Amino acid sequence: EAQVTQNPRYLITVTGKKLTVTCSQNMNHEYMSWYRQDPGLGLRQIYYSMNVEATDKGDVPEGYKVSRKEKRNFPLILESPSPNQTSLYFCASSFGMGQGVYEQYFGPGTRLTVT
Amino acid sequence: DAKTTQPNSMESNEEEPVHLPCNHSTISGTDYIHWYRQLPSQGPEYVIHGLTSNVNNRMASLAIAEDRKSSTLILHRATLRDAAVYYCIPADMRFGAGTRLTVKP
Repeated sequence: EAQVTQNPRYLITVTGKKLTVTCSQNMNHEYMSWYRQDPGLGLRQIYYSMNVEATDKGDVPEGYKVSRKEKRNFPLILESPSPNQTSLYFCASSFGMGQGVYEQYFGPGTRLTVT
Repeated sequence: DAKTTQPNSMESNEEEPVHLPCNHSTISGTDYIHWYRQLPSQGPEYVIHGLTSNVNNRMASLAIAEDRKSSTLILHRATLRDAAVYYCIPADMRFGAGTRLTVKP
């Protein structure tokens, strides 16, 4: 089954404790991205990757890191989480983003709480 | 960057058609218009996309104005499962607040 998986689905952590949210897709997609969703603010893009070893900042990259060493995986790293990073995170993938013609597939979401 | 404007919320009765409007007057001539929806407690899912011509698929129809400054997502017979937030998105995949659709039985 074609899918985007995220782990963990739920995470409660403390300020400053490094964490990684994994994202994996099995569709051989080149493009992957991370979004955060907050009440009243909609989905905002954090980082995206056009292909392996090619990542770029989205609209809200501060406090996050990503890597793309393999085509299928795109982990989101919070080196020193803070309470303002409490949010619902979605990973997405698609074949490409040229002129936006490709359908994006979204993962189920990771709800992160930083205390 | 293209900006979109959608109503915050809409209501529909079950089994009636729903027309969800979107204004995208700043969209460029080569940018596709995408529609996604987000069901409660789920990630967004693709609904439909188009460039100039009207488009149909098993989920919905997309009517695009001739000047491309607006489009309308049409759900031909709304069901309770169609209750969701619907996003109209230009090619850069920047999600706005969307339209929250409520379907009444």
